[in-house]
Amino acid sequence: ETGVTQTPRHLVMGMTNKKSLKCEQHLGHNAMYWYKQSAKKPLELMFVYNFKEQTENNSVPSRFSPECPNSSHLFLHLHTLQPEDSALYLCASSRDRDTEAFFGQGTRLTVV
Amino acid sequence: KNQVEQSPQSLIILEGKNCTLQCNYTVSPFSNLRWYKQDTGRGPVSLTIMTFSENTKSNGRYTATLDADTKQSSLHITASQLSDSASYICVVRNSGTYKYIFGTGTRLKVLA
Repeated sequence: ETGVTQTPRHLVMGMTNKKSLKCEQHLGHNAMYWYKQSAKKPLELMFVYNFKEQTENNSVPSRFSPECPNSSHLFLHLHTLQPEDSALYLCASSRDRDTEAFFGQGTRLTVV
Repeated sequence: KNQVEQSPQSLIILEGKNCTLQCNYTVSPFSNLRWYKQDTGRGPVSLTIMTFSENTKSNGRYTATLDADTKQSSLHITASQLSDSASYICVVRNSGTYKYIFGTGTRLKVLA
């Protein structure tokens, strides 16, 4: 266990659904991240939060909406997704932007 | 262009054998290089991190090397075990943009 917990582990949703992914860490880290991992492609950084403030949005479509209510929790709200959004979504945290990131187990998302 | 390329894409070896995974990068300016192990359906876990001045670093049966002149790194696994079956991801950090560039990984399968 890395100390970063993601729920749910698996999610199947229709294109008209709204769902949320949750990430939680109690490592005292100040930076949190959302990554997307598709088959045979490198990990793609989606969003970065540092001290609860979004510091990076790597051209992610607006159907993905992150929320960071405090330094321990990070959400990814999903709505009107497309089948090509099916992937493993990984959350990570680090003490700060310069130190090692610890990853959660990921949420396997399937859009039907 | 900042890129990280890993080879081979996949590898099958027998239990007890050694193997070496390669990572070539064009990321500049270079900050550090990490090797992660990712079990199927789980998040990546850090194995080693190497900075510009480090040539070799070991973590148990895993030994990483770095040649900053040729921009190459390798991960050597000694006396492989079934539990080594996973994807191994090379990640290079750009010290100018602070961004992490991920390779596509090498999928290793160790057979009994």
